[in-house]
Amino acid sequence: QMHLQESGPGLVKPSETLSLTCTVSGGSISGSGYYWDWIRQPPGKGLEWIGTISYSGSTYYNPSLRSRVTISVDTSKNQFSLKLSPVTAADTAVFYCARFWSGSTAGPDAFDIWGQGTMVIVSS
Amino acid sequence: DVVMTQSPLSLPVTPGEPASISCRSSQSLLNSYGSNYLNWYLQKPGQSPQLLIYLGSTRAFGVPDRFSGSGSGTDFTLKISRVEAEDVGVYYCMQALQTPSMYTFGQGTKLEIK
Repeated sequence: QMHLQESGPGLVKPSETLSLTCTVSGGSISGSGYYWDWIRQPPGKGLEWIGTISYSGSTYYNPSLRSRVTISVDTSKNQFSLKLSPVTAADTAVFYCARFWSGSTAGPDAFDIWGQGTMVIVSS
Repeated sequence: DVVMTQSPLSLPVTPGEPASISCRSSQSLLNSYGSNYLNWYLQKPGQSPQLLIYLGSTRAFGVPDRFSGSGSGTDFTLKISRVEAEDVGVYYCMQALQTPSMYTFGQGTKLEIK
């Protein structure tokens, strides 16, 4: 069974770069029909999609964050990563990595596997 | 962007009673193949969201049959036939029409036990 695990600093200073990695285990990140996404949730609030990457490196970002976000993939390590810069206190949130399984390969066209989430606080 | 609007935002329910959550999208989620790109997720307290319903009405693997999704186009409903204590949490609808370039979630509906 595939498992996703987020890792990275829990505290980032304002104006600096938030960097997180999602490690995929129990399966390959290189499977076709899968996209690898980042989603965040500010404390007590709802879910906001950040962006996605395919195993081949194609990326799409939420227009509201596009100027500050970079998502990359390392297939040799079965990992994908998020960078958000510069950050402000408004970026404080739980960050989730998730797999989107496309219907083009018989998937549900949904986020079917989620990591446990990691809390990132932006504060000096 | 597609805007997703849920109601109600808070839903107190007596165990054993039914519950219903509405989700409306600002544009049709029905594609040319007749599929509605609308998913439902449940985020239990302290947990990550979990997929309940995809393509508007198909239950995800392992989801009890007391959960059902219906609707088409811009109006969708999640129904729980008999609420159990383990169903508490926040329910989100999400549009996947713009896969893979954009996804948007509803505000969330918090279901609590009376």
